[in-house]
Amino acid sequence: DTAVSQTPKYLVTQMGNDKSIKCEQNLGHDTMYWYKQDSKKFLKIMFSYNNKELIINETVPNRFSPKSPDKAHLNLHINSLELGDSAVYFCASSQRGGTNTGELFFGEGSRLTVL
Amino acid sequence: GESVGLHLPTLSVQEGDNSIINCAYSNSASDYFIWYKQESGKGPQFIIDIRSNMDKRQGQRVTVLLNKTVKHLSLQIAATQPGDSAVYFCAETASGGYNKLIFGAGTRLAVHP
Repeated sequence: DTAVSQTPKYLVTQMGNDKSIKCEQNLGHDTMYWYKQDSKKFLKIMFSYNNKELIINETVPNRFSPKSPDKAHLNLHINSLELGDSAVYFCASSQRGGTNTGELFFGEGSRLTVL
Repeated sequence: GESVGLHLPTLSVQEGDNSIINCAYSNSASDYFIWYKQESGKGPQFIIDIRSNMDKRQGQRVTVLLNKTVKHLSLQIAATQPGDSAVYFCAETASGGYNKLIFGAGTRLAVHP
């Protein structure tokens, strides 16, 4: 059983389009995250939700809008896609939302290619 | 600013040898550190963690060492196996809580038979 699953795994689209990536975790965790990994493998946090509440919002263009309908789901919608949005987007979850919460469980990633 | 970096971007070792992957961090306020392993086409996987009140922690074939004086972290893998080939990341908690991990750039470990 997949703990953190995200769809689609691959997404190829044109500049200017709007796209969404969905994420679901079946671990019963309260906190979920979106990370972006660029072509040099650098991982950077974008957003974090704790029990459906936004708690981390890094310097991300407002074309990116996360939505958490419940604590098991965190979706990422991207408007007006740009070439620089091409990356692998990872969803993750963790057990608690406080400091030093321990292990993050990552999904397998969604590779977005903007042409 | 806060940053976490690695000394070696690529490390090649022979199967059976021990591997050491190094990491430098700059935020002296960080008090929790994690090593992740990322295999090709997969998400990062937790390997081992260490809190700042410790200087060494051992797992199965892996040991993490923390030197707070020089802000240095290392991951030692004993008897490296081909299945250990991956990109390894160190990460630290930034101030502000909620597990806002700052990841280093990653080191690729290549294990040769």
